[in-house]
Amino acid sequence: QKEVEQDPGPLSVPEGAIVSLNCTYSNSAFQYFMWYRQYSRKGPELLMYTYSSGNKEDGRFTAQVDKSSKYISLFIRDSQPSDSATYLCAMSESGGSNYKLTFGKGTLLTVNP
Amino acid sequence: DVKVTQSSRYLVKRTGEKVFLECVQDMDHENMFWYRQDPGLGLRLIYFSYDVKMKEKGDIPEGYSVSREKKERFSLILESASTNQTSMYLCASKGGHNEQFFGPGTRLTVL
Repeated sequence: QKEVEQDPGPLSVPEGAIVSLNCTYSNSAFQYFMWYRQYSRKGPELLMYTYSSGNKEDGRFTAQVDKSSKYISLFIRDSQPSDSATYLCAMSESGGSNYKLTFGKGTLLTVNP
Repeated sequence: DVKVTQSSRYLVKRTGEKVFLECVQDMDHENMFWYRQDPGLGLRLIYFSYDVKMKEKGDIPEGYSVSREKKERFSLILESASTNQTSMYLCASKGGHNEQFFGPGTRLTVL
């Protein structure tokens, strides 16, 4: 079983739709959870960061972490064509020397006008 | 805002050449990373550094070396470039909560 699983898509939605992106993981020691957005031929850009379980909202984006199910989600409300990108989840154990990130392979999202 | 810059956006080199990729961050971060990203394989960690002159191998260090002489600068060196090192190379530095901030990437083609 891979440490982090992410559906590669592609996912195609109409403008204005609610988008749900998900990752599952197997390492119960993961405590930090991140979502990155990567446009074609660019570096990943940090979108959301959460620690442990719970929800975090930033504008149209909501990140959810369910540690009991080892499942994290990113919701995008009122999706826009400019949201078209690859979305990567990433996670790490807490503190000390365990700061390496484990990444999902990314979900390619297209929002159609 | 954290800024991570990389010396080149695009590079074309020939097999056997020595290649230097430079990365600079402006947030006084201690930890810096080099990844390569390939279709279907995702991001793979090559090397990381947790302090000046300190480095550790990542998951795929073979064929690469690194240098960290100053805190803000982390260099990736391909001693003798090969075609299988054609890839997107990404540098990152770590913030206070394990989040990493990436540079724009260098797309390297080895002919």
